[in-house]
Amino acid sequence: AQSVTQLDSQVPVFEEAPVELRCNYSSSVSVYLFWYVQYPNQGLQLLLKYLSGSTLVKGINGFEAEFNKSQTSFHLRKPSVHISDTAEYFCAVSGISQGGKLIFGQGTELSVKP
Amino acid sequence: SQTIHQWPATLVQPVGSPLSLECTVEGTSNPNLYWYRQAAGRGLQLLFYSVGIGQISSEVPQNLSASRPQDRQFILSSKKLLLSDSGFYLCAWRRTGELFFGEGSRLTVL
Repeated sequence: AQSVTQLDSQVPVFEEAPVELRCNYSSSVSVYLFWYVQYPNQGLQLLLKYLSGSTLVKGINGFEAEFNKSQTSFHLRKPSVHISDTAEYFCAVSGISQGGKLIFGQGTELSVKP
Repeated sequence: SQTIHQWPATLVQPVGSPLSLECTVEGTSNPNLYWYRQAAGRGLQLLFYSVGIGQISSEVPQNLSASRPQDRQFILSSKKLLLSDSGFYLCAWRRTGELFFGEGSRLTVL
């Protein structure tokens, strides 16, 4: 079974500042890792995913994340945030089997202030 | 291209009433389908998933049930709603490890 821990429930940051949203996972098998973003009253949209290959993954809207197997982490970063990045961000993990379930963290609310 | 639809988008129901939320996927066949619930201030909780017609796996014991009468249709139901059933319900289908979500159904039980 897999589990995900998002270490910060809320992250306030000023516009144009860098941000890091932290995610740690646990699993006894190889995993896929994901970051999703949710804007108010909407479904979830995929930001980026790690399936295999390069451990540095680039996603949409200027976000990137690095898979660190030794530290079982998949932190999300952006060098300069915008007001429009204000949203809830979810880290998720699944085992690599075809029917594997996606397990989500509790979410991190990113609030970008002018 | 593949699309996923959920309805209704918003629902207000009294305690003890029945519930039916529907989800359909277009543009793919035999998808793995999922129902998640997002309660206020919480993350996403996996409720049910299905790998084929009539095949339902339940993740948590609760007041809800799911059915998959057709390949691309997934229904979430309840015979008698509880206050604790309030939340944002998300349907999703899966391809190459990635989940694609519908727009969600917000349920308020009064």
